[in-house]
Amino acid sequence: QVQLQESGPGLVKPSQTLSLTCTVSGGSISSGSYYWSWIRQPAGKGLEWIGRIYRSGSTDYNPSLKSRVNISIDTSNNQFSLRLSSVTAADTAVYYCARAPRDTDLVYYFDSWGQGTLVTVSS
Amino acid sequence: DIVMTQTPDSLAVSLGERATINCKSSQSLLYSSNNKNYLAWYQQTPGQPPKLLIYWASTRESGVPDRFSGSGSGTDFTLTISSLQAADVAVYYCQQYYGIPYTFGQGTKLEIK
Repeated sequence: QVQLQESGPGLVKPSQTLSLTCTVSGGSISSGSYYWSWIRQPAGKGLEWIGRIYRSGSTDYNPSLKSRVNISIDTSNNQFSLRLSSVTAADTAVYYCARAPRDTDLVYYFDSWGQGTLVTVSS
Repeated sequence: DIVMTQTPDSLAVSLGERATINCKSSQSLLYSSNNKNYLAWYQQTPGQPPKLLIYWASTRESGVPDRFSGSGSGTDFTLTISSLQAADVAVYYCQQYYGIPYTFGQGTKLEIK
């Protein structure tokens, strides 16, 4: 059973860069069967997809965040990471990593999620 | 972006009764090459991540009780809980995976009446 676990600072100052890592256990991030995503949820609000990465390093981002987001993958440590630059209070949220099955060029629903980590943007 | 709109925003149902949540997409989620609807449903309880319930609009994820069912096609979809249990109190989200960016409905809060 795959498990995903987010880690990183819980407090980030405005204008700085938010950095989180998702560690995958019970399965290989190098598996060609999955894409790996970041999703966030402000307190009491809905879910926003941030972006995704494949084992090759190929990425797709939400256009609303694309100018500030970078997702990378470290297959040797079975991890993938999120960097979000120039953060403001509006970026305060629980950040989740998640896995989505793929088939050729089609990517599907999120079948496994991390527990989430709260990141607060405040001085 | 594909906009996902859920109705109602909140719902109170008696234990043992049926609960119905609707989800409408701003464009069809039916992929013509495989005749599948790219729509999933998730359940989120407080302090927990979303849990996948239904994918392909009507396929139940392994381990999900059969009182949960999904239906619909194209732009209109429904999640039905046939006999509400106390454990079903949660927020429910629909999500489209037809196109980037993936988008979610705003959520429906389900409570016990």
